Amino acid sequence: AQSVTQLGSHVSVSEGALVLLRCNYSSSVPPYLFWYVQYPNQGLQLLLKYTSAATLVKGINGFEAEFKKSETSFHLTKPSAHMSDAAEYFCAVIPGGSQGNLIFGKGTKLSVKP
Amino acid sequence: NAGVTQTPKFQVLKTGQSMTLQCAQDMNHEYMSWYRQDPGMGLRLIHYSVGAGITDQGEVPNGYNVSRSTTEDFPLRLLSAAPSQTSVYFCASSYSGPGQGNSNQPQHFGDGTRLSIL
Repeated sequence: AQSVTQLGSHVSVSEGALVLLRCNYSSSVPPYLFWYVQYPNQGLQLLLKYTSAATLVKGINGFEAEFKKSETSFHLTKPSAHMSDAAEYFCAVIPGGSQGNLIFGKGTKLSVKP
Repeated sequence: NAGVTQTPKFQVLKTGQSMTLQCAQDMNHEYMSWYRQDPGMGLRLIHYSVGAGITDQGEVPNGYNVSRSTTEDFPLRLLSAAPSQTSVYFCASSYSGPGQGNSNQPQHFGDGTRLSIL
């Protein structure tokens, strides 16, 4: 079955440090990939998406992600964490391009220490 | 432009009661969906619709019904509430969905309904 795996349910970084949130997918056909962010008591907001154009995708709030087919990965990074980045982040995939529904990973909660 | 509006925001039910969670969008989106979010489980798809009059089951449809009589509205019905249905429910919409072309369009989410069943 198609799936997406987020490594680490909790990640803690210091303010100003690099943020790296890991996501791996399983799909026999190149998928569409997304990162969403959820702030407390809110719905999900789209950070960025990969749809087979450029492999390095830039999103909002300084985040970016790189699609690596050989590693089946789509890790999310930000060079310098801000306190306001504290939230839960979800990687999601539409397997096989356009024929499936969105499948979410289990989420990674990011904490930012002052 | 309100986006996706969910009502109510909070609800407590007793086991066996029924209720309807409302979802409305004003973006003329064809695709609408319902998810439930449980700790450590991510979001799981309950039901979805690719247009008025068309609905289909997602990953966890048991105990829930949906209908889509208009483009704007996509209510979710709990037929006989059970404690296992205690969760946060999110409605989402997008321009298009699976098999419709341009299905890489991002989904817009409501703020959720927090449902507790005693």
